[in-house]
Amino acid sequence: EVQLVESGGGLAQPGRSLRLSCTASGFTFSDYAMNWVRQAPGKGLEWLGFIRSKNYGGTADYAASVKGRFTISRDDSNSIAYLQMNSLKDEDTAVYYCGRGWRPRSDLWGQGTLVAVSS
Amino acid sequence: DIQMTQSPSSLSASVGDTVTITCRASQSISTYLNWYQHKPGKAPKLLISVASTLQSGVPSRFSGTGSGTDFTLTISNLHPEDFATYYCQKSYSPPLTFGGGTKVEIK
Repeated sequence: EVQLVESGGGLAQPGRSLRLSCTASGFTFSDYAMNWVRQAPGKGLEWLGFIRSKNYGGTADYAASVKGRFTISRDDSNSIAYLQMNSLKDEDTAVYYCGRGWRPRSDLWGQGTLVAVSS
Repeated sequence: DIQMTQSPSSLSASVGDTVTITCRASQSISTYLNWYQHKPGKAPKLLISVASTLQSGVPSRFSGTGSGTDFTLTISNLHPEDFATYYCQKSYSPPLTFGGGTKVEIK
């Protein structure tokens, strides 16, 4: 089955770090860029960043709101994308989703993992 | 960065109605515009890519038009399962900004 499954969410204290994983199955992971987006309570979807496939250089781009704090990486051998979140803030509380693809579309998304930042 | 503005932010409609959602880009994005449906606790679902290409398995009552800076998503003959929040997103060059969303509620 073609799917994405996010994991690693939970409760974290402000200032701490958390790493989310996005495990892919059913398709050739290395062929695709991988995105991360989030939805804070009562808010809309916010694009956080993406990492290109190795064929496109394997580099990442980020939203200005998280650049310097969040890092996206990938492990093609295990079909996993990561979102490393550092210096967490209360406003990072959200459901985090990973998505497959970039140009021209992101056509597959996971069901999300909840991150709650609170002291 | 290019900003994406959706309107309205919410609307109420009845089963069988036709609704139109608008997305405006602050600069031209050609046809690099995708539409998603999102329901609480579910994965976002891609409906339309490159402004007007209906994704496989998406009902034909969904349609998209536009290019440049102005885009529309039209849902004809609303079904009960269409009540959700809809987002536009620019594609191609990062940042891949989403619009603010349009919540379609039952009247």
